Amino acid sequence: DSGVTQTPKHLITATGQRVTLRCSPRSGDLSVYWYQQSLDQGLQFLIQYYNGEERAKGNILERFSAQQFPDLHSELNLSSLELGDSALYFCASSAAGTYEQFFGPGTRLTVL
Amino acid sequence: GENVEQHPSTLSVQEGDSAVIKCTYSDSASNYFPWYKQELGKGPQLIIDIRSNVGEKKDQRIAVTLNKTAKHFSLHITETQPEDSAVYFCAASIRGGSYIPTFGRGTSLIVHP
Repeated sequence: DSGVTQTPKHLITATGQRVTLRCSPRSGDLSVYWYQQSLDQGLQFLIQYYNGEERAKGNILERFSAQQFPDLHSELNLSSLELGDSALYFCASSAAGTYEQFFGPGTRLTVL
Repeated sequence: GENVEQHPSTLSVQEGDSAVIKCTYSDSASNYFPWYKQELGKGPQLIIDIRSNVGEKKDQRIAVTLNKTAKHFSLHITETQPEDSAVYFCAASIRGGSYIPTFGRGTSLIVHP
């Protein structure tokens, strides 16, 4: 158990809908990272937050957004969903000044 | 940006054999190279990492080597066990600022009892 929690574990929705994925980092970790894992694209970095502020952006679509709240939990919002958005979404956290990222168990999103 | 190539995509070995997974990277500024193990239904877990000022690092049955001149690094698992079966990812990143790793496509390791 990495100490990072993600909810929900599974999510099934329809095209055009909007969903919110939630992540709670390990106690004390200020950085939260979001990744998308699909069979054809592998593990892709989406976005990073550090202590409530956006720190880095990767290959995140404009339809996707994220935020980190004062209690350090983070949410990833996916809107206008398409079939191709079906994937595993992972959250990871790390302590300030360290490299090691601890991954959560992921949310499997299925868009029908 | 950084590009990480990982080979092989699938590796099948007998229990007790050694397994080697190789990765190459493109950005000579990369200086941190972690390896992750992902078991079915779980998130990736860091198993070992190496920094650019070190050529080799060992942790029990696992070792990683780095050749900065050739821009490649490898994961070595000795005396493989069935519980080593998983997908292994290499990654490369640049120290400083936001540490964002670029991942390889993964190697599915199957250890046959």
